[in-house]
Order: sequence, then C-alpha cells, then structure tokens
Amino acid sequence: QVQLVESGGGVVQPGRSLRLSCAASGYDFRTYAIHWVRQAPGKGLEWVAVIWSDGSTQYYGDSVKGRFSISRDDSKNTVYLQMNSLRAEDTAVYYCARNSGWFTHWGQGTLVTVSA
Amino acid sequence: EIVMTQSPATLSVSPGERATLSCRASQSVTYNLAWYQQKPGQAPRLLIYAASTRATGIPARFSGSGSGTEFTLTISSLQSEDFAVYYCQQYHNWPPLTFGGGTKVDIK
Repeated sequence: QVQLVESGGGVVQPGRSLRLSCAASGYDFRTYAIHWVRQAPGKGLEWVAVIWSDGSTQYYGDSVKGRFSISRDDSKNTVYLQMNSLRAEDTAVYYCARNSGWFTHWGQGTLVTVSA
Repeated sequence: EIVMTQSPATLSVSPGERATLSCRASQSVTYNLAWYQQKPGQAPRLLIYAASTRATGIPARFSGSGSGTEFTLTISSLQSEDFAVYYCQQYHNWPPLTFGGGTKVDIK
C-alpha cells in the first residue's frame, strides 16, 4: 500500500536551517508530484511547496519563497524540504502528500518547532 | 490567489442527525474541489474529490455537491467517528493550492 513517512523535524533556533525528508513506498515514485503542507498548532492547513514527478518544476507558497527549497532523489524514493532562515511562524506539523490535484495520501507528519 | 471560506466555524450536531457544511470560493473553481476530514493528532483524510466523487473506502453517508463558487459537504447521519474537523481545498487555479479554514463538527 502507499506509504509516506516524514522525518527530520525537531526544535531549531530562529535563523537556523532544517531538512525534512519524505520517504515514499508502495507505488511508482516517479509518477506523482509530492507536496508539503503544514499546520501550525491549533490552526488550519497551509500549502507549502510542490515538486513535479520528473523533478522539472517546483512551486512555493509566498510565506516560504526564497527560504525553502524542495528536491527529490528518485534513487531513494525520497523528497526533501530544505528550510533555511527559519522563523517562529514556521512552527508547525509538516506533512508530505501525494497529489493528483487533490491529496490522495498523506504522511503522519513531523513537528518543527522554531524557538530560541 | 483563490480564497476558500468555510462556514460555520463550528457545527454542533447530535449523533444520527444530518450535518451540512459549506465552502465558498472567491472565484469559480468549476468542479475542482476536494474535502478532507481530520481528527486530533492525525493527518487529513481525503473524503471527496471533483466536488462530488467519494474517495476509496469512504462511506455513502458522506456526499459532496456544488460547482463554481458554492459547495456543500453533507453527512447524512452522523456517527461517533465523524466528529472531526473538515477542510475544503481547491485545485483549479494554482499555485497556490488553497484550503478553507475548516469546520469543526462536535457533539451537541
């Protein structure tokens, strides 16, 4: 069955960097785009970034543009989210999700806390 | 950016009753709308896509309707496991993909 497993979350100081990973299994990794969606504590869902199935295109939400970078390694069936210049408002659970326009499969999420 | 607005923010319903949740888009998204259910501590789960198509394994008591800018999620007879937060999401015009703010369905 399709599985997405996030890792790499933790506590980080403002201004520092963190890299999240999303490991996929149970399907042909190269046939679907992968997105990152985040959820601040007690808040709603916010789309963060996407990478196309062939890795050719990436898009970012305005709140992370210029600070976050999404990439994929097809040899490891893994998508990464490199987060630089982190701010307190980036504190959230970060989910990766497989996309067909709508999100059919989600990971369990990884918590990122940005705090001094 | 297409803004999605959900109402009400909270809906109090008794088990066995019908729940009707609304989602409005700031511009037409045609039928490119999905609904998700999220329970505390869990990832969202896809319920409906293309405005009215149930995802795999979703019970028939969940139904979606609407097009353009006005959409509705109906839960025909609420079960205990249906008390959760529900989000709509448009995928008609992106980036960015956008979600509504959510409707919490709780026990009356």
